[in-house]
Amino acid sequence: NAGVTQTPKFRVLKTGQSMTLLCAQDMNHEYMYWYRQDPGMGLRLIHYSVGEGTTAKGEVPDGYNVSRLKKQNFLLGLESAAPSQTSVYFCASSWSRDSEAFFGQGTRLTVV
Amino acid sequence: AQSVTQLGSHVSVSEGALVLLRCNYSSSVPPYLFWYVQYPNQGLQLLLKYTTGATLVKGINGFEAEFKKSETSFHLTKPSAHMSDAAEYFCAVLGGFKTIFGAGTRLFVKA
Repeated sequence: NAGVTQTPKFRVLKTGQSMTLLCAQDMNHEYMYWYRQDPGMGLRLIHYSVGEGTTAKGEVPDGYNVSRLKKQNFLLGLESAAPSQTSVYFCASSWSRDSEAFFGQGTRLTVV
Repeated sequence: AQSVTQLGSHVSVSEGALVLLRCNYSSSVPPYLFWYVQYPNQGLQLLLKYTTGATLVKGINGFEAEFKKSETSFHLTKPSAHMSDAAEYFCAVLGGFKTIFGAGTRLFVKA
């Protein structure tokens, strides 16, 4: 079982460049999430989706956009990357709001 | 609003010793609580969760946690630490449509 797959796994961007992180899940989950993980801060929610075609802001949405055009995919976009966006990004999905979240392996992004 | 506080960013124990990782939560509604583990360069995986019912919850790898409403706590324990338990552990609470994570506690296990 693939579960939650994130691409790419590593990326280095220059300040001002744009990129899209792709998350794909094969568990038919309704809910999908994007988190960023920074040392000493745990995971902070960037955006989330409660179903195909829906998105909502989390704790730290500024500088990011998302889209959920297909149920199995959740895309995270950075329009103009900044060094403060250097982080490890995790995608997760869950069946319902109170069920466990399944995480991808993470994307390590460095903005120079 | 829901929040989670994990006491101690680092905990070090000897192999075979008791593991105790502390978590306190704040919630305006009956909480759903989780413990996740993250091994190096991997995503998070669920150790255990509390929703309703029995307050002592058993999880994978010999871990368990007890929900104490009066103390707003959900501490994680394991009777005997193994070297393979070295990882980062996150306590989390369900808040609305999303899970809110604590800052994490890194567990070191000494031989």
